[in-house]
Amino acid sequence: QQPVQSPQAVILREGEDAVINCSSSKALYSVHWYRQKHGEAPVFLMILLKGGEQKGHEKISASFNEKKQQSSLYLTASQLSYSGTYFCGTSRLPPGGATNKLIFGTGTLLAVQP
Amino acid sequence: DVKVTQSSRYLVKRTGEKVFLECVQDMDHENMFWYRQDPGLGLRLIYFSYDVKMKEKGDIPEGYSVSREKKERFSLILESASTNQTSMYLCASSFFKRDVLKRYNEQFFGPGTRLTVL
Repeated sequence: QQPVQSPQAVILREGEDAVINCSSSKALYSVHWYRQKHGEAPVFLMILLKGGEQKGHEKISASFNEKKQQSSLYLTASQLSYSGTYFCGTSRLPPGGATNKLIFGTGTLLAVQP
Repeated sequence: DVKVTQSSRYLVKRTGEKVFLECVQDMDHENMFWYRQDPGLGLRLIYFSYDVKMKEKGDIPEGYSVSREKKERFSLILESASTNQTSMYLCASSFFKRDVLKRYNEQFFGPGTRLTVL
């Protein structure tokens, strides 16, 4: 099943903060976050792994609650360049072989206004 | 930089036509993926491949097939296009597993092909 993202859309002013959530009904090994700007390809932002390891972006952080199978993406002091659609992608197993695929959520549209 | 290219940005076809969408990556990635993106539905996986000539169905494979004869190229085929296949198609690639630089299987996407079936 697709993970559920919330909110579906959010409008911010520059400098404000936002949180985007991603929830799964299944146990997860990792959560990926991607951003897609209008008319462009999705771009990788961050990965969070079971056990707490993270790799990501300088100004964007995230958390992964393994017990709740939920990840949250934190955008602080938002900039105009943060505008776009944010997708989480979830994997139930470690990288490798036929299991190496992601199930993406339906996306969260973020609009940052001046 | 990783580059994933797709053969067309826009494509218009007629119902019943056979359609080929091509994707090429230059990073020697083992994995390649085809997604379709529709408003409100996010990215849905059609097929993926983790090696040459290997393929696995994704969540919505019906009406599609794929071909991977070379490592760098992954083709999506619509055997008989239908109007409900009008969509944005995105190709992506990634490493097979954690590599020597400790990068994980982050996916690199192509620019997409917007297909309209009339």
